[in-house]
Formats: sequence, structure tokens, C-alpha cells
Amino acid sequence: DTGVSQDPRHKITKRGQNVTFRCDPISEHNRLYWYRQTLGQGPEFLTYFQNEAQLEKSRLLSDRFSAERPKGSFSTLEIQRTEQGDSAMYLCASSLVHGNEKLFFGSGTQLSVL
Amino acid sequence: DQQVKQNSPSLSVQEGRISILNCDYTNSMFDYFLWYKKYPAEGPTFLISISSIKDKNEDGRFTVFLNKSAKHLSLHIVPSQPGDSAVYFCAATKGVQFYFGTGTSLTVIP
Repeated sequence: DTGVSQDPRHKITKRGQNVTFRCDPISEHNRLYWYRQTLGQGPEFLTYFQNEAQLEKSRLLSDRFSAERPKGSFSTLEIQRTEQGDSAMYLCASSLVHGNEKLFFGSGTQLSVL
Repeated sequence: DQQVKQNSPSLSVQEGRISILNCDYTNSMFDYFLWYKKYPAEGPTFLISISSIKDKNEDGRFTVFLNKSAKHLSLHIVPSQPGDSAVYFCAATKGVQFYFGTGTSLTVIP
């Protein structure tokens, strides 16, 4: 069990640029979540996959955000035309479908939009 | 609409004493309640959980209490250690959704 892995750990970009983050969940976990966290706040739900199917998206997820999990393993989160308000920690988490209510988080990607 | 609330942003406790972190929620349909611990520049790590059908769960120095009538849960850490200094988030689940509080920063003073 190597844990949830996220890449990169930090990303600095200029406003208007596109960025993509990657998440590798724990291998046997079929649920994968993306959360966003800003200073002084708890993690806020963005979207969730069960295997390769994206089953739920938050209203926080504007059309500039897109997430994929093509083969039900790793996932990517892309933000197009970044804005300064997108600056946050983007957290990925995974869990099992049945009998396990826990989420296991990665270390996050800290995005700074200048 | 914040369904899970942590009203104390920070707490300081002397080493060896008890730390009590509190959390309130609004939705009586939550299935499980969890506590996560977060160090700076790291993701939250799971600490302890409790099912909505129970009122207490204990794991070593950590005990979580659930008061359903008051829609309140608390985390007790006894004895507190300097390594416990971190931000603690409570969370609640309903189906596949997890709802997090805003966190309480615990400082354990040696």
C-alpha cells in the first residue's frame, strides 16, 4: 500500500494558463475524489469517480474544470484559463466502495495563480 | 450551507492534559463521523471514526463521543503530546459524500 500519490506538489502559473494535476489512488480503491482546500477552510468537494465513471460534480466545479479517470486507475484534474481565485490546495482522496467509510488523502497539489 | 461546523479555530493545551475538540452538525441523516488530522503542506490523515448508531469509540489515546440528540461530536485526546499539534477536521458522511468542518488548530505546549 503506497498511499495516494499526487503530482506535482506545487504549481505556480500565470493567470489564463491551463494546468493539469495527476492523482494515483491506492490500487484497490475504486472510488476517487477531488477536493479543494483554501486557508482556514475544510476540504470542499469537487467531484467523485467510481471506477472510470464520474458520478457527481459539485456546483463549485465551473466549466473551466474537467476531471477524468480514463481506465479507473489514475485521475487528472485540468483547470483551463486559470484565475487568481483558483489558488488553493487540490486534494485527491480514494476509498473502497463497500464496508469502508474512510477517505485516504494524498499530500495535495498547491496551486498558486499569479 | 455548512453542514458540519467547528466553532473553535484554535485550542492550546499543556502536554499531558486532555484536549477536547468539538464539532456540530445539522443533518440527522449522516451515517458516519470522522476525525482527520492535518500537518502543514500535507493531506489530512484519518484518525478515528464513529458510526451514527454508536455513542463512543476509543482508539488508544483518542476517543470520539457522539451525542445525536444535540447533533454534537467531540474528540478527546488523553494525554496530549506535542506531536498532536496539528489542525483537526471533523467530517460526516451521507452515502458517498463527505462534509468537512473548517478545522481546529491544536497546539500542545511542552
